[in-house]
Amino acid sequence: EIVLTQSPGTLSLSPGERATLSCRASQSVSSSYLAWYQQRPGQAPRLLIYGASSRATGIPDRFSGSGSGTDFTLTISRLEPEDFAVYYCQQYGSSPLLTFGGGTKVEIK
Amino acid sequence: QVLLQESGPGLVKASETLSLSCTVSGGFIRSYYWSWIRQPPGKELEWIGYIYYSGSTNYNPSLKGRVTISVDTSKNQFSLRLSSVTAADTAVYYCAALTITAYKGAFDIWGQGTMVTVSS
Repeated sequence: EIVLTQSPGTLSLSPGERATLSCRASQSVSSSYLAWYQQRPGQAPRLLIYGASSRATGIPDRFSGSGSGTDFTLTISRLEPEDFAVYYCQQYGSSPLLTFGGGTKVEIK
Repeated sequence: QVLLQESGPGLVKASETLSLSCTVSGGFIRSYYWSWIRQPPGKELEWIGYIYYSGSTNYNPSLKGRVTISVDTSKNQFSLRLSSVTAADTAVYYCAALTITAYKGAFDIWGQGTMVTVSS
């Protein structure tokens, strides 16, 4: 069974700073079927990145994804006030078919 | 623009069956794999399962046969039934559209979510 481990659990940063979030899989993720989501309080998740590095429609270019195999990274180049939220990674293809990571909270320092 | 809206009871008694529906508007129900995802308060997301318009399904093994997802293409709706619920099933339940090819297995459309509480 594949497990996605996100780190750190909480990231305390100031607006304008760079955020680097990690998602590590316990086994290789099929063909980079790895996505990232942003969830603001009281809202549904929003797709940011799919296929490990492709931005979803309407997502600003300050968000970027990278990685392959078992190690993936979401980078926010310069944090805007609306970027303080919880971020989840998600894989498709390994057993179980779909799993999410435990999330990283990006909070204002 | 495809929109999803969950509906159903917000309170279910323990040992009974949770039933929710998701109405799809602004899109063609044959275009996606229609999914249910849940999130217990303060916790992470958990995929429950999906259904294709043809009726083929795939469920999370962790729910051990308690889940049934169905689709009604004439109403542009799909539904979730979760039997023998316990307090551990208390969560916000989201319906979402999964795109396997173009979005490489990602959920690109989400409903707003509906809170379901299991009472004893």
